Amino acid sequence: LAKTTQPISMDSYEGQEVNITCSHNNIATNDYITWYQQFPSQGPRFIIQGYKTKVTNEVASLFIPADRKSSTLSLPRVSLSDTAVYYCLVGAINTGGFKTIFGAGTRLFVKA
Amino acid sequence: DSGVTQTPKHLITATGQRVTLRCSPRSGDLSVYWYQQSLDQGLQFLIQYYNGEERAKGNILERFSAQQFPDLHSELNLSSLELGDSALYFCASSPSGQVYEQYFGPGTRLTVT
Repeated sequence: LAKTTQPISMDSYEGQEVNITCSHNNIATNDYITWYQQFPSQGPRFIIQGYKTKVTNEVASLFIPADRKSSTLSLPRVSLSDTAVYYCLVGAINTGGFKTIFGAGTRLFVKA
Repeated sequence: DSGVTQTPKHLITATGQRVTLRCSPRSGDLSVYWYQQSLDQGLQFLIQYYNGEERAKGNILERFSAQQFPDLHSELNLSSLELGDSALYFCASSPSGQVYEQYFGPGTRLTVT
């Protein structure tokens, strides 16, 4: 299993771009990188997934360098409602069996 | 709304009792996952079922068991409940071939008194 490391917490202000980096030095060839968002007392929400380079959707962008040993989730112009915990997961998406853990994640606090 | 439903929303019971939590996955999803989230433990993966068969097991206690039925809904049975079992229990489902793209239900909050 690829171990991931993320900052425990981050602060930002409304309207700023937020970048959360996840380190995964022992990522395997077949592993993808997946990010989730979780609000208090709610289930995590799938945000974005990628394998290499850049992936963008209506919510966020995911930047993955060529060596894939890290990845950066970018949230453009955050608002107060983006205050949540963000989890980075790494693993092979089509193994059939789920073999990973949600770590502590990164607590993002957006201030007015 | 993720499309995953869980019942009940809240459950209050006493130590030593047994409860059953129910989950209906999104239409078309064959995999179901169960998680436990308490304040001091974070989100803990318990077990995964795929099309009725157990596929992966995480930190699930022996007092806990789960199954997935032919209509793909799943149940998590918790027995001999202890105070420490009080937590939010989430169910998630995923499309075939995508164990990391999971869609979570609203959760069941279990309180053991």
